[in-house]
Amino acid sequence: DAMVIQNPRYQVTQFGKPVTLSCSQTLNHNVMYWYQQKSSQAPKLLFHYYDKDFNNEADTPDNFQSRRPNTSFCFLDIRSPGLGDAAMYLCATSREQRYEQYFGPGTRLTVT
Amino acid sequence: AQRVTQPEKLLSVFKGAPVELKCNYSYSGSPELFWYVQYSRQRLQLLLRHISRESIKGFTADLNKGETSFHLKKPFAQEEDSAMYYCALSGPTSGTYKYIFGTGTRLKVLA
Repeated sequence: DAMVIQNPRYQVTQFGKPVTLSCSQTLNHNVMYWYQQKSSQAPKLLFHYYDKDFNNEADTPDNFQSRRPNTSFCFLDIRSPGLGDAAMYLCATSREQRYEQYFGPGTRLTVT
Repeated sequence: AQRVTQPEKLLSVFKGAPVELKCNYSYSGSPELFWYVQYSRQRLQLLLRHISRESIKGFTADLNKGETSFHLKKPFAQEEDSAMYYCALSGPTSGTYKYIFGTGTRLKVLA
């Protein structure tokens, strides 16, 4: 009965090779978030969607993009992954922006 | 600047001892405050939020607006409380919402 699902759980990509991470939710929440978490660091918000409205964080590199084709799905695209992009990527949802978030298990990205 | 500060990276206590995980925040406005927990090999999950004023797994947290703190407390620690704890806030800013996590405190409860 997982409510926020991320696929794949582990992803290996080559330097510069585009990669897409997937998130889906069964909660029908309005908001979906993408976070990057590096070892021993706090989750860092990359961007979020409120319904179809995209909100990018000011310091999110242009290399990172997102799509939300419908309420249930959200994708994180990394156009040209660098070694510094190796991290755990967390997807989360919330009913409204000010409410608590529900997290997926994360996708661990390795860049070779 | 908007930030959440958790001054302790690691906190070790003995089973049965009281626990206090510190969280201070800096935010111009009235944010919502949360504590999230991540047990070993599990996903990040909500522990409690200040607006509900509830106690979860024996943990409580009081929002002190004067001191801009939201410390997490439990009177008697259990081994199963060992986990990573994150304090977080959300609040409106420039037409959208900001969600900021602290750097986390790892709690180890020793037998």
